[in-house]
Amino acid sequence: SQQGEEDPQALSIQEGENATMNCSYKTSINNLQWYRQNSGRGLVHLILIRSNEREKHSGRLRVTLDTSKKSSSLLITASRAADTASYFCAIIYTGANSKLTFGKGITLSVRP
Amino acid sequence: DAGITQSPRHKVTETGTPVTLRCHQTENHRYMYWYRQDPGHGLRLIHYSYGVKDTDKGEVSDGYSVSRSKTEDFLLTLESATSSQTSVYFCAISGVGQDYSPLHFGNGTRLTVT
Repeated sequence: SQQGEEDPQALSIQEGENATMNCSYKTSINNLQWYRQNSGRGLVHLILIRSNEREKHSGRLRVTLDTSKKSSSLLITASRAADTASYFCAIIYTGANSKLTFGKGITLSVRP
Repeated sequence: DAGITQSPRHKVTETGTPVTLRCHQTENHRYMYWYRQDPGHGLRLIHYSYGVKDTDKGEVSDGYSVSRSKTEDFLLTLESATSSQTSVYFCAISGVGQDYSPLHFGNGTRLTVT
C-alpha cells in the first residue's frame, strides 16, 4: 500500500492554540489533498495542493508541500472546539490511472 | 453534502445474504466511487465509475460488484456478505478525474454482517 503516513495519530490541544499535522509519502505525487471527517459523517475536502505548489491557504488552514522531503503539513491556526474531527491526508501518485490513496487519519481534539 | 444520498444509512444482515447499497447524486458528476472505512486502514477504494456503464476495480474489489445504469445512481452489491465486509461504506463523486478535482462524499452506510 502507498498510504501516506500521518503524524501524530492523535493530537489534543486547547482552544486558541495552533494544530500542526503532518503527512509523509514515499514516491512522486501528482497532488496531495487534506480532508476532515466529523464523527458519523462523510469526509469533507479542505485543500488540494499540486506537486508544483509549495503552500496554499484557506481561511485558518495552511498547507505546505515539500517534495524534496516528500512531506506535507496542515496547520490550523487559532483552533476552535468545532475543529475537533479526524483529518486525512490523501495522495494521487504519478502514473497512469493512479487513484486517490487515503492515510489512516489523525484525530484532533480541541478542548474548550 | 454536495447532493449525495446514500441508502440505507444503516443495515444489519446475515452472512451469505446479498446486499445492495445505493448512492444517488444530483450533481450530474461523471465520476463516482465506493470506499470502505475500517479502523486502522483509513479509506480504501472498492470500485469506481467514470461514466454510465463504465466501471473499474479499486484496491479491495473482491466480493463486490457495481453497476451504473444512470448518471445519478451507483450501486454497490455484496453478492454473499461475509463478516469481513462489516464496515462503513462511503460513496464519493467528482466532476473530473481525481488528478484535478477533490471528492465530495456522502454520509456513509454502516453495514454489519452477523
